Amino acid sequence: DAGVTQSPTHLIKTRGQHVTLRCSPISGHKSVSWYQQVLGQGPQFIFQYYEKEERGRGNFPDRFSARQFPNYSSELNVNALLLGDSALYLCASSLSWPGPSYEQYFGPGTRLTVT
Amino acid sequence: AQSVSQHNHHVILSEAASLELGCNYSYGGTVNLFWYVQYPGQHLQLLLKYFSGDPLVKGIKGFEAEFIKSKFSFNLRKPSVQWSDTAEYFCAVNARATTGNQFYFGTGTSLTVIP
Repeated sequence: DAGVTQSPTHLIKTRGQHVTLRCSPISGHKSVSWYQQVLGQGPQFIFQYYEKEERGRGNFPDRFSARQFPNYSSELNVNALLLGDSALYLCASSLSWPGPSYEQYFGPGTRLTVT
Repeated sequence: AQSVSQHNHHVILSEAASLELGCNYSYGGTVNLFWYVQYPGQHLQLLLKYFSGDPLVKGIKGFEAEFIKSKFSFNLRKPSVQWSDTAEYFCAVNARATTGNQFYFGTGTSLTVIP
């Protein structure tokens, strides 16, 4: 079975530009979460979507937005990029939420560099 | 603000030594607790989770963790580590907030096991 896939793998953008990151969850998974991981730190929660609705939002500015499509894939959009947005962006999917069976499967991430 | 603290940033052990990694969180409500592991060159993967019930939970590869509610702690243990346990370990907390579902990760503990 294919795991969580993310595209692109690497991305270089200039300050002020916009970026779209994509995530395809494991087949059958209906929840997708997005995280930002800066080198040397743990992942920071950005959004969770379940059944195409936003279920949680972390402490990120409105420049960050996301959506989930009918096929449960997801996009993370970041506007007006800043140097500080340079990080590894992780996507995680889970079969269901909430409940004891909740378990997140992480993708390989998209490395975003803002110059 | 809610937070997850991992006290040990870098731990070095010899094979067969016992391991205990500390994790404390600051959140007064109901929480779900997780330990994730990231082996070199691989994705984050779930080691174990606690939702309710027996506070001593067992995970994969001989790991276990104990939830002590009064201490807001969820320490990870393994009686005898192996070289293959060399990895980065992250403690995570899932909780409900006014902005919906939230996930908080610690900064991680890098474990090096010497053969």
